[in-house]
Amino acid sequence: GESVGLHLPTLSVQEGDNSIINCAYSNSASDYFIWYKQESGKGPQFIIDIRSNMDKRQGQRVTVLLNKTVKHLSLQIAATQPGDSAVYFCAETFGNEKLTFGTGTRLTIIP
Amino acid sequence: ETGVTQTPRHLVMGMTNKKSLKCEQHLGHNAMYWYKQSAKKPLELMFVYNFKEQTENNSVPSRFSPECPNSSHLFLHLHTLQPEDSALYLCASSQSSGGGTGELFFGEGSRLTVL
Repeated sequence: GESVGLHLPTLSVQEGDNSIINCAYSNSASDYFIWYKQESGKGPQFIIDIRSNMDKRQGQRVTVLLNKTVKHLSLQIAATQPGDSAVYFCAETFGNEKLTFGTGTRLTIIP
Repeated sequence: ETGVTQTPRHLVMGMTNKKSLKCEQHLGHNAMYWYKQSAKKPLELMFVYNFKEQTENNSVPSRFSPECPNSSHLFLHLHTLQPEDSALYLCASSQSSGGGTGELFFGEGSRLTVL
């Protein structure tokens, strides 16, 4: 079946450095992708999204890159801060279908 | 501050108990969802309501019974649960129920432990 997954379950980054979280998806028809952040004891929060007609989108300190050729999505966080420590999920959908979520990557920022 | 409020935040219940989870959204959205989040598993969609009508039941056991009296409130009634039902239950809302039409807004979840 189709699946969304993450290359690494955990990632540790020194405070101030940039971090990159990767996500592989298998449904080539997916046309909309979202990154969510879930802090401990909280629900997932929307970070940034991207549609399949784009390959890059930037937000505040975050950039999402989409490579449709290899079905790969990444989230780059610049100048990481302690508050960036969380689990990050990618999610995909196509057309009007429901979002499919990955298992998540736990990002730890080392002071 | 989240526009989706869930109560209770924590619930411990025995397998013979009956309890309910409550969700309220203050965002004026038309669609509401229940998700189950277990350790090391992707978020599992359970139910979707659009304009108070259930539009999706993702093969959820009948011991979970949703109720949506209006577009702002969603309940999950629990009865005769199993220990493997222990998880974080997340409520979410969106403008509409189409997955590609916008983001989901999540509540902070109800942590359920079944003894």
